[in-house]
Amino acid sequence: DAGITQSPRHKVTETGTPVTLRCHQTENHRYMYWYRQDPGHGLRLIHYSYGVKDTDKGEVSDGYSVSRSKTEDFLLTLESATSSQTSVYFCAISEKSSGKNHEQFFGPGTRLTVL
Amino acid sequence: DAKTTQPPSMDCAEGRAANLPCNHSTISGNEYVYWYRQIHSQGPQYIIHGLKNNETNEMASLIITEDRKSSTLILPHATLRDTAVYYCIVSWGSGNTGKLIFGQGTTLQVKP
Repeated sequence: DAGITQSPRHKVTETGTPVTLRCHQTENHRYMYWYRQDPGHGLRLIHYSYGVKDTDKGEVSDGYSVSRSKTEDFLLTLESATSSQTSVYFCAISEKSSGKNHEQFFGPGTRLTVL
Repeated sequence: DAKTTQPPSMDCAEGRAANLPCNHSTISGNEYVYWYRQIHSQGPQYIIHGLKNNETNEMASLIITEDRKSSTLILPHATLRDTAVYYCIVSWGSGNTGKLIFGQGTTLQVKP
């Protein structure tokens, strides 16, 4: 299995508090992604990174920010958590090579509950 | 990225081949077909991908029609551990972002 860890694995927080989720990889892959998964919606891309300090928005980026200061770490921050951000969050990594740009490896997920 | 259509659910008997269809009638010439699966509560797992030709690896086979408007993922000898949600995704293979758009997928239930 690809070396991807997410922390914390479970978190319960209150509305209005800031929350940071961490994704850590040991594969030295260039690309990192944050998805959320909710019942009835499948996985939706929040933000992604194509290199250190290079990030861009996905399809559901409102209310989230990201940072990537090192190749191995990709942080997802909820500046002021809302109940609608209760979800399971998955991090993924990939390394661009011919025809395999979309072979992504996923972490175990973080279950976030915002009360 | 092209949109895909998959049946919401399918059943398969253990030991038999599971054939999961996917329609992608608006696929463009440089878009690949990717298959992922997600076993309950785990992160998705890459299975296979292809552009034009049929592909096979240790997990599955991918059959793409000549007009590329549809494809079939084949699990040759399904086991109970293959019970999962299977996602068919169409996206650029050489883009600089690798973004994937997941749909609802097909829930495959392998039965004893």
